[in-house]
Amino acid sequence: EPEVTQTPSHQVTQMGQEVILRCVPISNHLYFYWYRQILGQKVEFLVSFYNNEISEKSEIFDDQFSVERPDGSNFTLKIRSTKLEDSAMYFCASSEGAGYSTEAFFGQGTRLTVV
Amino acid sequence: GQNIDQPTEMTATEGAIVQINCTYQTSGFNGLFWYQQHAGEAPTFLSYNVLDGLEEKGRFSSFLSRSKGYSYLLLKELQMKDSASYLCAVHQAGTALIFGKGTTLSVSS
Repeated sequence: EPEVTQTPSHQVTQMGQEVILRCVPISNHLYFYWYRQILGQKVEFLVSFYNNEISEKSEIFDDQFSVERPDGSNFTLKIRSTKLEDSAMYFCASSEGAGYSTEAFFGQGTRLTVV
Repeated sequence: GQNIDQPTEMTATEGAIVQINCTYQTSGFNGLFWYQQHAGEAPTFLSYNVLDGLEEKGRFSSFLSRSKGYSYLLLKELQMKDSASYLCAVHQAGTALIFGKGTTLSVSS
């Protein structure tokens, strides 16, 4: 069964450093997303991406965040200067359509720890 | 504004039936999803409702009332492996899913 894959599974970084989280969405999907979940809290939407551009973003997704689809398969989330409060599980997801009736498939997540 | 409320925790025994409620107040509505999330894992899709009524899928059913801003997930014949968090999520508009805080269900023997 096709799945969304994320690397790395765990990432520890020092405050102020840049990190790149990588995702390979399901191959025939057109919409890609990043969500995050701080430990013990709810899943929060960060950004959605379609046709090589951001289609929607939340208040969390400020200037320190960026997304990119550098080739035909990868979808990345970059955090330029990490802060302690960026520590969370970051989930990539993808869907065939715009989501109104199509489920989003989530990857296993990258646990980011900022020290 | 947006608000999605679910009970924080529920407990039940194997073989029982449990109903997890979700109420929502959102500025738009394009459908409601239920996801299951085991500890430390990704959310996995359970059900989708956009019209009022009951959607049944095996042991799991989901109900929606748009006029009341209310949904529930019904789990029948509970098994130990059903111990997980159950996330109610709403599509307001656009592409984002807005999640509730989730209900942690503990199933005991």
